Amino acid sequence: KQEVTQIPAALSVPEGENLVLNCSFTDSAIYNLQWFRQDPGKGLTSLLLIQSSQREQTSGRLNASLDKSSGRSTLYIAASQPGDSATYLCAPLLGSSNTGKLIFGQGTTLQVKP
Amino acid sequence: DAGVIQSPRHEVTEMGQEVTLRCKPISGHNSLFWYRQTMMRGLELLIYFNNNVPIDDSGMPEDRFSAKMPNASFSTLKIQPSEPRDSAVYFCASSPWAQGGYTFGSGTRLTVV
Repeated sequence: KQEVTQIPAALSVPEGENLVLNCSFTDSAIYNLQWFRQDPGKGLTSLLLIQSSQREQTSGRLNASLDKSSGRSTLYIAASQPGDSATYLCAPLLGSSNTGKLIFGQGTTLQVKP
Repeated sequence: DAGVIQSPRHEVTEMGQEVTLRCKPISGHNSLFWYRQTMMRGLELLIYFNNNVPIDDSGMPEDRFSAKMPNASFSTLKIQPSEPRDSAVYFCASSPWAQGGYTFGSGTRLTVV
């Protein structure tokens, strides 16, 4: 059974800091891994999708890396802003040739203080 | 594209009543997923469909829960009878193919009193 662990569970930092959020998963046979953001009381917004053949993906101030063999992914947030405050969820995708399902970690709740 | 559309946004019902949640996936997406989110258990996959066919319903908690996808543009999740412990936010997501990127709806917040 795939287990996903995110560290830290919560993080509070002053504005402008560079951050690293960690995700580990037990089953390395994944197709891809997706990072999401969830604001309080809202749905999930996809941030980055990394295919299993890729090592990293970048979007603006966000960079996500994937090391499938060790079962790890990191989300790097550069120059954090108060608007980055949210819960960040890591979700590797398990599946076979024609099926797939995302398994979620519990998330890292980030607070960026002005 | 309007994204994944869920209705209703909020539902308050009495214990024992039937509840039906609805989802319209993104046009052209072949995979559809129902998740439940609670503080205690986080996001749990309930069931998913490929090309309107249920592939894995192992996450459906009890026989009180059922899901259907009669066509590519509509799915329902039904709870009958509902219980207070079913209170949660229910999300629907769709993907262009089984291993594609997921897009989530805004969720339905269900409260059973």
